[in-house]
Parts: sequence; structure tokens; C-alpha cells
Amino acid sequence: GQSLEQPSEVTAVEGAIVQINCTYQTSGFYGLSWYQQHDGGAPTFLSYNALDGLEETGRFSSFLSRSDSYGYLLLQELQMKDSASYFCAVRDRNQGGKLIFGQGTELSVKP
Amino acid sequence: KAGVTQTPRYLIKTRGQQVTLSCSPISGHRSVSWYQQTPGQGLQFLFEYFSETQRNKGNFPGRFSGRQFSNSRSEMNVSTLELGDSALYLCASSFGDNEKLFFGSGTQLSVL
Repeated sequence: GQSLEQPSEVTAVEGAIVQINCTYQTSGFYGLSWYQQHDGGAPTFLSYNALDGLEETGRFSSFLSRSDSYGYLLLQELQMKDSASYFCAVRDRNQGGKLIFGQGTELSVKP
Repeated sequence: KAGVTQTPRYLIKTRGQQVTLSCSPISGHRSVSWYQQTPGQGLQFLFEYFSETQRNKGNFPGRFSGRQFSNSRSEMNVSTLELGDSALYLCASSFGDNEKLFFGSGTQLSVL
């Protein structure tokens, strides 16, 4: 089996850069995904890393290092609307591809 | 293109009752998965269906069941409701084995 660990809360100011880490314990997975969820809303897909390295999509970037069992989501030029919960997720190869989510990181962006 | 639609949006039931939740995926998406979200446990995987076949099942008791129809619409059923079943139930669809999931707004179930 596996578990994913994320910080429960992160606070940053507008315009700043914030990194949300995701560490995992697994013997095999297909890749690392990130989702954003605003209060009361549906989770929305942000990024997917199938391979090690950095993936950039606008202000958001995601990184994966399989050798370090570690990934992160990087948010640049923070805006108030970025205040939300962010979840990392992996598809567990040893559990038939079941999608496992982290507990989520609540990001608060202050003016 | 319409998004993932879940009905009902809110539901109040009492212990011992059963409930059926519905999910209509995005047109063309054949994969549907269900998740339970609670403040303390985050998003927990329930089941995944593809072309009417259950591909995967999470660690939930047998009271939780689901199915998928030929038009890819999916339902999940919870029988003999318990207080601990109160949660937001989310459905997501994807195109084949694509990792990008599209979530519905969920059904907020309250068990009294």
C-alpha cells in the first residue's frame, strides 16, 4: 500500500511564491497528479507528472522525483483566488491502479 | 460541453435508510470513479467503472455499491446508512485511461 503526506496548511501573501510538498511511500505508482478545490466546489485538475522533472503550466508548476519519493506543486505570483485546498494523488500500481489522494493542503493567500 | 452532473446536490437521510446517488459523466467519457470526502479523511476512493465493468474498489464495507450503465451514467448506493456516512460524495469522469479527472460538484449527504 501507500500513503501520501502533505502539509495541512500553508499561508502566503499576494504576489509571493509558495511550494506545496507531497511525499509518498509506495513500491510502485504510475504518476503524480495535483488537484485544486475551492470551498464547496469540485476538485479541478491542475497537472500530471508521469516522468521525473518539472512540468509548467502558466503560474503553476509541478515536480516529481521518483528516486526521492517526492513531488511538489509550485504556485507563482500568488493571487487571492488561489486560496483553496490542493491535493496530490497517485495511482497505485500494486492496488490495480487505485487512485490515492493526500489529505490536502489548505492554502491561504493574504493581501 | 456539459460537465459532470451529480444529483441530488443535497440529501438528508436517517440511520438505517438507503440512498442512491447519480452521476452523469461528460459525453464521451467512459471511465467513472467515486470518492467520499470528509474533513478528517480527505478524498477516499470508492470505486471505478469503465464500460459497465468495475475496475477497482476501495476499502469500504459491502453497504457501498455501485454500477455503470451502457450510456456511462453511474449510480452508487449506500444501504443501512450510518452516521459516519455523512460526507460529500464526488464523482469524476475521464476519457479512457487519461489521468485528467473531471469532477462533479458532489452530493452532500447528511445522515441524522
